Formats: sequence, structure tokens, C-alpha cells
Amino acid sequence: GAGVSQSPRYKVAKRGQDVALRCDPISGHVSLFWYQQALGQGPEFLTYFQNEAQLDKSGLPSDRFFAERPEGSVSTLKIQRTQQEDSAVYLCASTPTGGGGAGTGELFFGEGSRLTVL
Amino acid sequence: GDSVTQMEGPVTLSEEAFLTINCTYTATGYPSLFWYVQYPGEGLQLLLKATKADDKGSNKGFEATYRKETTSFHLEKGSVQVSDSAVYFCALSPDAGNMLTFGGGTRLMVKP
Repeated sequence: GAGVSQSPRYKVAKRGQDVALRCDPISGHVSLFWYQQALGQGPEFLTYFQNEAQLDKSGLPSDRFFAERPEGSVSTLKIQRTQQEDSAVYLCASTPTGGGGAGTGELFFGEGSRLTVL
Repeated sequence: GDSVTQMEGPVTLSEEAFLTINCTYTATGYPSLFWYVQYPGEGLQLLLKATKADDKGSNKGFEATYRKETTSFHLEKGSVQVSDSAVYFCALSPDAGNMLTFGGGTRLMVKP
């Protein structure tokens, strides 16, 4: 389809394992966002890319979290040495415009990757 | 920093009942305000928005008015349907851009 695609949809990891979550944004979309959504909570901002540049990573909770978008399209969120508190749904969203005052506020979200750390 | 507070759910209504989901915000300046909806098994999608005070956003029978004096953006619908069952998120953007801060979400369940 033409929407934002995330994989895997479900991931179970043992504490201490590394995980990688992939996001395929809508083709041609400039901006890409990662959000973390804990159970029963709203999405919380993690990081933002405009093309391949990571312009804001202020929401990443620790240095175990790392995101990249090397060619300005597909993005990967990597979590090293996972902890139980990392269990959440990780949402990716894209938008055709930049994030700083030039947009419409309409983010196109994927269905998310649900991470469970045992 | 900026924040959004929504009424806690779940909200359970009978079909054709009137819906209000309260949302208040804290922000500096003049943020844009949004309602997003997440239907079961789907990603979040924009429902409606308002970009300045006294604007009314509307879509699919839902409405919300940007009230700067009360810092509120309550979601209303005159007659809900079973198909409106979903989780609703209020959000703000400080600069009319795409950087969003979300509330905690309110689950709506509509019974036939």
C-alpha cells in the first residue's frame, strides 16, 4: 500500500538483547518522526528527521536508543541492551513538509511496532 | 513545557448519544490544536484541527472549537455511532508545524 509501513509488527526480546525497528515512510515524504506509546498512554516524541538529517533527538530516553535515516527514506530505530521499561509501541510517522512551522500538523502514522521485553 | 490533558476513559455511550471529550492545554504563544483518532487495528489519523483562536475544526460530524480564554479544545459529536468506537487523542503544535505533543488518549465505546 501507499501508507507508512513498520516492521516487525510485534517483537519479543529478552532483557539485554538489541532490537531494530524499521519504518518505510510514504514515498517522497520529507519529515519522519518516531514516537513511543506506553500502554494506555499517548504517544511521546522520540526523534525527528528532515530528509537524512536528524534535527531533534531530545526525546530519546537514553543513549541506548539510536535512530538513523541514512538515505532520507527508510529509518531504523535501534535499542541496545533492552530493559523492561522499553516495552511499548513504537510509532513512526511521516509528512511531506518540514517540521518547523512549515507544516500542517497532519502526520501519517504507521500501525506501530509493539516491543515486549521479558 | 507544552502539555495536553484529556479526560480519562473509557467513555461508554449508547448509539445516538451526545459526545463530549474534554481537552485542555498548556503552551506558550499560539499553538495549533488537533484531534487524532485511532480505530482498532489501525494507525493514528488526523480527525480535525484548528490553527487559531475561535476557529472550529470539523470532520465526520465531529467538531471542536479553539478556546484560548479557557485553553480548551473539547471534541463533540451530536449523535455517535458504533463505528465511532476508537481512541481519541488531543494534540498541539507550538508553531503550526508538524511537531506534536499528545494527550493521554480517551477510549470511546459506543454500544448499539
